[in-house]
Order: sequence, then C-alpha cells, then structure tokens
Amino acid sequence: GAVVSQHPSRVICKSGTSVKIECRSLDFQATTMFWYRQFPKQSLMLMATSNEGSKATYEQGVEKDKFLINHASLTLSTLTVTSAHPEDSSFYICSASAGPQAKNIQYFGAGTRLSVL
Amino acid sequence: AQKITQTQPGMFVQEKEAVTLDCTYDTSDPSYGLFWYKQPSSGEMIFLIYQGSYDQQNATEGRYSLNFQKARKSANLVISASQLGDSAMYFCAMKSADGLTFGKGTHLIIQP
Repeated sequence: GAVVSQHPSRVICKSGTSVKIECRSLDFQATTMFWYRQFPKQSLMLMATSNEGSKATYEQGVEKDKFLINHASLTLSTLTVTSAHPEDSSFYICSASAGPQAKNIQYFGAGTRLSVL
Repeated sequence: AQKITQTQPGMFVQEKEAVTLDCTYDTSDPSYGLFWYKQPSSGEMIFLIYQGSYDQQNATEGRYSLNFQKARKSANLVISASQLGDSAMYFCAMKSADGLTFGKGTHLIIQP
C-alpha cells in the first residue's frame, strides 16, 4: 500500500518559536497533499490543500500567514507553524493523494503532536 | 453542502463477533466516494476500504466489507470476526466535488 511519512512525530517548543513539519509520499507521486488538525476526541479538521508548485488553498478561519505550507515537489509538503503559541498545541496530520486515477484515496502520515509551552 | 453522520460514539463488542459501524451521508453530487479509516491510539489514520458511488458491488477488503445502500445513503462498515487489535476510532468519510468530509467517528472497543 501507499506510504506517507510524517516527521517529526512529537515536538515540544517554546512560545514564539516556529516549527516545521514534513510530509513525504514514499512510494507514489502525490498530486495533492492535505493538512489536518485534530483536537482530542474529535474528528479531523481540514486546514489546507496543496498542489505541487502552486499556492495552498486554506480553509475558512485558517490563517495562511500562521500556517505556511510549501509543496515543493510531488513527494514533499511542509507545514510551518510560525510564532507558535500554546493554543496551537494540537495533533497535526497530513495526507497525500494520487488523484482521481487512484480513487482520490488519501493516505495519511502518522501525525505530529505539537506542544507549545 | 455534504454531511457525514456516525451515530455511534462508542461500541463494546466481544472478541470474534462481527461488528457493524453505521455511517450515513448526504450530498447533492451524483459522483462521490466513500471511505473508512481506522485510527488507533497511536494517532495514525489507516485507510481500510473504498466504495465509489457508481460501483455495483459492495467493496470488500479481507475482514472489512462495506454495506453500501445508495437509496438509503448509508455506507456501514462490517468487520467480521473481530480481534483485540481492532480496538480503535473508526471514521467514515466522503469525497465529492466539495472535498473530503469526515464523520465524528466511532470508538470501537473489542473485549476479550
């Protein structure tokens, strides 16, 4: 099956610092990558959709200057949480899709648990 | 707007029994896909099974099968011969022109 690697799995940082999370599709080319946020005991909330080589599309209410997304290649997307604050503490999870020819199935990374002190 | 409803917040099932997790959906898009994902306590989202809106047969993947009833707009997941390792959160999701929408999930606990 398709494998998506997400790194790091856990980050603890001080308030005001920036954190970068990487998402890689290891065995397929991802036309689209997605970034989600998940609060405890809740479902996934889509933050943004990114296509290789173009600007990410952010969901309503998600600050694009706060959550910078770069989709530099067909196998790599990064999410940078800039000037992180305690309220940004959450579980962030990425997914990658090879598009309609692959039934639009999204394969997920293992997630990153961010704790901002 | 599309919507996914999972009415069972939690379920307790005896090991080796079959399990049915409910999922109903609503969309005006005639072309859509339905997915089930498993999320263990470790957090990763594991893809289980896919059903296309035009697929004539119900999808099956090993012990997982999807009971697709298009007229009722339901896409229940059936797990046969449940195992202790099946304990996890299960999310139903739908992909249409509006994007991918997840249900709130069902927390399944398999008891020995």
